[in-house]
Amino acid sequence: AQSVSQHNHHVILSEAASLELGCNYSYGGTVNLFWYVQYPGQHLQLLLKYFSGDPLVKGIKGFEAEFIKSKFSFNLRKPSVQWSDTAEYFCAVSTNQAGTALIFGKGTTLSVSS
Amino acid sequence: GAVVSQHPSRVICKSGTSVKIECRSLDFQATTMFWYRQFPKQSLMLMATSNEGSKATYEQGVEKDKFLINHASLTLSTLTVTSAHPEDSSFYICSARLQGMNTEAFFGQGTRLTVV
Repeated sequence: AQSVSQHNHHVILSEAASLELGCNYSYGGTVNLFWYVQYPGQHLQLLLKYFSGDPLVKGIKGFEAEFIKSKFSFNLRKPSVQWSDTAEYFCAVSTNQAGTALIFGKGTTLSVSS
Repeated sequence: GAVVSQHPSRVICKSGTSVKIECRSLDFQATTMFWYRQFPKQSLMLMATSNEGSKATYEQGVEKDKFLINHASLTLSTLTVTSAHPEDSSFYICSARLQGMNTEAFFGQGTRLTVV
């Protein structure tokens, strides 16, 4: 079974600082990888996803993530955060097979001060 | 993109009663849907995988008699919380993926259940 580990529970940054949130997964087969964001009181929104191909994936709102297969990692990055990026961030993994569920990490709370 | 609609968005019920939550895929067929539970400030925990026309597959520790899942059509799955108690209060979220390999997952808006 797959599992996901997000190392940072709570990250506090000032506006314009760079962001990197760690995500490691445990699964020996081919994976699909996702990052979701959840703003306070709202439902999940997909930031980006990786299925295959270029391991550097660009998503919405200036986010990107890099899949490093040898490290079983899919870290999320943003060069310059904004106050509006304050939210909960979830890394998720599934197998690439049809009909498999996404398994979520525990999430990272990002607080950005202006 | 594809849309998953969940209803109701909020429900308050008395302890001991049952509550049904609906999850619909609006513009695609979903042979498989997923039900998650999210506690405040925590992650989404997979409860069960709902399979159209067959029994749901429950994750370890999830009571199948407490959380009844029915997936009667390719666009509708329902979760019924039976004999609800205050500890069942939570945020329930459904999800569906497009058919085939390497597909995106779409999530409903969630249902906030409060048992009083």
